Amino acid sequence: DTGVSQDPRHKITKRGQNVTFRCDPISEHNRLYWYRQTLGQGPEFLTYFQNEAQLEKSRLLSNRFSAERPKGSFSTLEIQRTEQGDSAMYLCASSLSGGALIGEQYFGPGTRLTVT
Amino acid sequence: GESVGLHLPTLSVQEGDNSIINCAYSNSASDYFIWYKQESGKGPQFIIDIRSNMDKRQGQRVTVLLNKTVKHLSLQIAATQPGDSAVYFCAVQGYHNFNKFYFGSGTKLNVKP
Repeated sequence: DTGVSQDPRHKITKRGQNVTFRCDPISEHNRLYWYRQTLGQGPEFLTYFQNEAQLEKSRLLSNRFSAERPKGSFSTLEIQRTEQGDSAMYLCASSLSGGALIGEQYFGPGTRLTVT
Repeated sequence: GESVGLHLPTLSVQEGDNSIINCAYSNSASDYFIWYKQESGKGPQFIIDIRSNMDKRQGQRVTVLLNKTVKHLSLQIAATQPGDSAVYFCAVQGYHNFNKFYFGSGTKLNVKP
């Protein structure tokens, strides 16, 4: 257990429905990342927060995707009007800026989304 | 964006042997590289990192080698154990955006007892 939790762990939804995932990072970590991972592939960057500010968003992220981190603690990722191509594992990671190992992101277990 | 590729999707080794997992990257200006291990049902876990001003870095039973000339890095695992069975990813920090990391597609390491 890395200390990063995600909820739910699994989500099955019908095409066209909206879904929301939650990530609780390690409490003192000010950086939070969302990634998407499909079978046989590495994680693909979606978005990044420093505290409550969303500083980076992938061009791959369509306008159906939105992420928030309202108080600089937990974060939510919402997908509107889900499509079958959204089926994937959604990973959250956190890190501490200024840490000795800048790449040491701590990943949660992920939320597996299946769109039917 | 950056491009990161691993040479072999699957690697099978005998328990006790050394494992070598290879990775290639596209941007010669890339400065920072990380290896992650992902076990089934879990998120990736940081193993070791290296900056471009180094050629080699050692951890506990792991060594990362960086060859900037051919834009290649490798992860060596000594005395591979069953617990090392996992998917291994290399990741490269974005050159224009330090907050983005680009992952390769992963190599699945199978350790045979």
